[in-house]
Amino acid sequence: GQQVMQIPQYQHVQEGEDFTTYCNSSTTLSNIQWYKQRPGGHPVFLIQLVKSGEVKKQKRLTFQFGEAKKNSSLHITATQTTDVGTYFCAGGYSGAGSYQLTFGKGTKLSVIP
Amino acid sequence: DAGVIQSPRHEVTEMGQEVTLRCKPISGHDYLFWYRQTMMRGLELLIYFNNNVPIDDSGMPEDRFSAKMPNASFSTLKIQPSEPRDSAVYFCASSLYGADLLWRAFFGQGTRLTVV
Repeated sequence: GQQVMQIPQYQHVQEGEDFTTYCNSSTTLSNIQWYKQRPGGHPVFLIQLVKSGEVKKQKRLTFQFGEAKKNSSLHITATQTTDVGTYFCAGGYSGAGSYQLTFGKGTKLSVIP
Repeated sequence: DAGVIQSPRHEVTEMGQEVTLRCKPISGHDYLFWYRQTMMRGLELLIYFNNNVPIDDSGMPEDRFSAKMPNASFSTLKIQPSEPRDSAVYFCASSLYGADLLWRAFFGQGTRLTVV
């Protein structure tokens, strides 16, 4: 089946430091999505990237989609305590009239005040 | 819209008992996913439906697990018999295949299952 690898598994940063998580798919993706899950909560959609080489920004968050549509990254500039949570990438695979969303294992971000 | 609704929110059951988890997707959505989340394995896709038809159940751990979607507004995930290793948070998510290509998944609050 489809596999999405995400690293690192955990990241501890001092408040104000930057943070990056990386995602890699074994096969070409139709799209890549990013989700955030707060402790005790459920995954919440952040953004979707569709085009090769696409870059999108949401305030301090920058999302990139690789040229080959197999990898992606999420970068947070100057982390804040509100950024705490687990960030998941999810690879969208479509074909033959069906669609599947496969999640990476996530990167758990801790921010030390 | 109330979003994806799952019930129960918490379930504690004894090993060997049957457990049924329920999900009501967002009205109009044509994809429904069942995920299981544990610390060890992360968020695993168990099965997904498109227009009420199961498309891929390769993630279902074993025959003890079964899922149904009798209509567009309801799905169940059943475990029979349950085992302690089934303890996890089970999420249901729904999505709409749209012309804008935005296939975002909307997650329910999850069901925390504990099998003792």
